[in-house]
Amino acid sequence: EDQVTQSPEALRLQEGESSSLNCSYTVSGLRGLFWYRQDPGKGPEFLFTLYSAGEEKEKERLKATLTKKESFLHITAPKPEDSATYLCAVFGGSSNTGKLIFGQGTTLQVKP
Amino acid sequence: NAGVTQTPKFQVLKTGQSMTLQCAQDMNHNSMYWYRQDPGMGLRLIYYSASEGTTDKGEVPNGYNVSRLNKREFSLRLESAAPSQTSVYFCASSEWGTLGGNQPQHFGDGTRLSIL
Repeated sequence: EDQVTQSPEALRLQEGESSSLNCSYTVSGLRGLFWYRQDPGKGPEFLFTLYSAGEEKEKERLKATLTKKESFLHITAPKPEDSATYLCAVFGGSSNTGKLIFGQGTTLQVKP
Repeated sequence: NAGVTQTPKFQVLKTGQSMTLQCAQDMNHNSMYWYRQDPGMGLRLIYYSASEGTTDKGEVPNGYNVSRLNKREFSLRLESAAPSQTSVYFCASSEWGTLGGNQPQHFGDGTRLSIL
C-alpha cells in the first residue's frame, strides 16, 4: 500500500536555526514527489516537484532533496514568516490516476 | 491572478440537507480535483476529473457526487449531508502530465463545512 510519513509532527526553531523536515514514502514506481506549504485557513501552496532520486530544488531559504526512499526539506536560517505546515505528497503506482498520497504534515514554528 | 476559487467559504448544514460546493479555475488546466482535509487524516481525494467530460472516484467518494460543468468549473454535491461529512473541502487543478497526474496541483482556499 502506498504510504507517506512525515516527521517530526511539529518543530519549533529559533530564527536563524537551520533544520530539516523528513518525508518517507513507500510507493510502487514514484512518478513525482511534491512539497506544499499550508498556512492556517488557507489551501496548500505548491513549493516543489521532484521526479527522480538525486534531484534537488531550491527556493529562497528552502531546499528539497530526494532519495529512493525519502525526501528532505531543508530550511536554512528560517524567519518567522516561514512558520506554516509543510505537506509532502507522492504520485506513483501502476494506475494512471490523479491520486496524490499526502503525509500528515510537519507544523513548523519559527520564533524571533 | 485568481487561480482556484471556491464558494462558499463557510457553510453550516443540518443533517439530511443537500448542498453544492462550487469551484472554478482560470489557469486553463485540464484536470480538477476535490479533497477533504480532516485532523489526523490528512488530505484525501474524493473525486477527480482528468479532463472535461470525465470524472473518476478517489479514495473517499461515498456520499458525494461531482459535475465537470466545463473546463473551468467542477462542482461537488452532498445529496444528504451527514455529520461525518463535516470537514474542510479543497478544490485543486493541474495539467494532466504525460504520466498521468504527475503535475503539481494548485489549490483553492477551501470551504469549511459543518453538519449538525
